[in-house]
Amino acid sequence: DAGVTQSPTHLIKTRGQQVTLRCSPISGHKSVSWYQQVLGQGPQFIFQYYEKEERGRGNFPDRFSARQFPNYSSELNVNALLLGDSALYLCASRSHGAELFFGSGTQLSVL
Amino acid sequence: QKEVEQNSGPLSVPEGAIASLNCTYSDRGSQSFFWYRQYSGKSPELIMFIYSNGDKEDGRFTAQLNKASQYVSLLIRDSQPSDSATYLCAVTDYFGNEKLTFGTGTRLTIIP
Repeated sequence: DAGVTQSPTHLIKTRGQQVTLRCSPISGHKSVSWYQQVLGQGPQFIFQYYEKEERGRGNFPDRFSARQFPNYSSELNVNALLLGDSALYLCASRSHGAELFFGSGTQLSVL
Repeated sequence: QKEVEQNSGPLSVPEGAIASLNCTYSDRGSQSFFWYRQYSGKSPELIMFIYSNGDKEDGRFTAQLNKASQYVSLLIRDSQPSDSATYLCAVTDYFGNEKLTFGTGTRLTIIP
């Protein structure tokens, strides 16, 4: 079975632009979470979606938004990019157990 | 604000020795505790989770939890060069909650 897949793997944007990151969970997983990992730090929770509904939101500005589609895939959107948004963006999915399965991430660089 | 603290390292351990990684957390309501391993440039992968006081063993790995002291540790026995990675401690306030609070990670280097 395929794991959590994310696209693109790398992205370069300039300040003020908008970006959309995509995630497909493991087949059968209905819950998707997004995390931001700045270099040298641990991942920080951004959003959780379950059955297309937002179930949790971390301490991120409204420039960050997300949605989940009927097939349980998800998109993370970031508007008005800042230099500080440069990070590895991780998507994770979970079934009924405790384990979060992470995708390989999207490395976003904002210049 | 919930905090998870780890020594950032680097922690250097000879091959074959025991590596000991420590983590403290601030929220007494935390119920589930996770150890993730992250190789450079890769995504985190779960090693173990624990939610009861005491020890939990899985192969060469042992997680230890002391809720009274708000302390979690990970022991790696017979350390191998392939164990060289950053180890992330994460906590959450109930089993199945996907909002994990991570520490900054401890970089472990196993010296051949």
